[in-house]
Amino acid sequence: KQEVTQIPAALSVPEGENLVLNCSFTDSAIYNLQWFRQDPGKGLTSLLLIQSSQREQTSGRLNASLDKSSGRSTLYIAASQPGDSATYLCAVSDDYKLSFGAGTTVTVRA
Amino acid sequence: EAEVAQSPRYKITEKSQAVAFWCDPISGHATLYWYRQILGQGPELLVQFQDESVVDDSQLPKDRFSAERLKGVDSTLKIQPAELGDSAMYLCASSLATNEKLFFGSGTQLSVL
Repeated sequence: KQEVTQIPAALSVPEGENLVLNCSFTDSAIYNLQWFRQDPGKGLTSLLLIQSSQREQTSGRLNASLDKSSGRSTLYIAASQPGDSATYLCAVSDDYKLSFGAGTTVTVRA
Repeated sequence: EAEVAQSPRYKITEKSQAVAFWCDPISGHATLYWYRQILGQGPELLVQFQDESVVDDSQLPKDRFSAERLKGVDSTLKIQPAELGDSAMYLCASSLATNEKLFFGSGTQLSVL
């Protein structure tokens, strides 16, 4: 069974600092990996999707890397802003099933 | 931009009552998912549909939960009877196909008293 872990569970940074969020998974035979953002009491918004054949994916200030062999993905958010405060979840797809981590809750202090 | 519609947004019910949630996926999305999310945890898949067929309902408590997607478009998730432990956020998501980008609705926050 695929296990997805996100450490730390929470972090707080000052505005302008770069954010580094980690995701690890136990089974490297994945189809793709997605990063999501979730605001309190809301649904999830997809940020980036990385196919298993890709090493990274970029969108604006966001960059996600994937190292399938070591079972790790990292989400980088450059020059963080208070509006980036949210919970970030990663999800791994193997075959048709998506397994989620518990998320990292980020607070960006103004 | 097209969105996944869910209703109601909030639901408060008493133990042993029946509740139902509705989801309308993005037009053309063949795959529809129902997830349950407990505060502080990641979403857990309850049921996955491909068109009108169930692909995976292995984690659905079938003694009290049921889900249908008639005509392969919108979907309903029902709980009868509701228990205290069912209090959670119920999320619907859709994608063009399996393993494609997921689009989530705003969810239904259920409180069972």
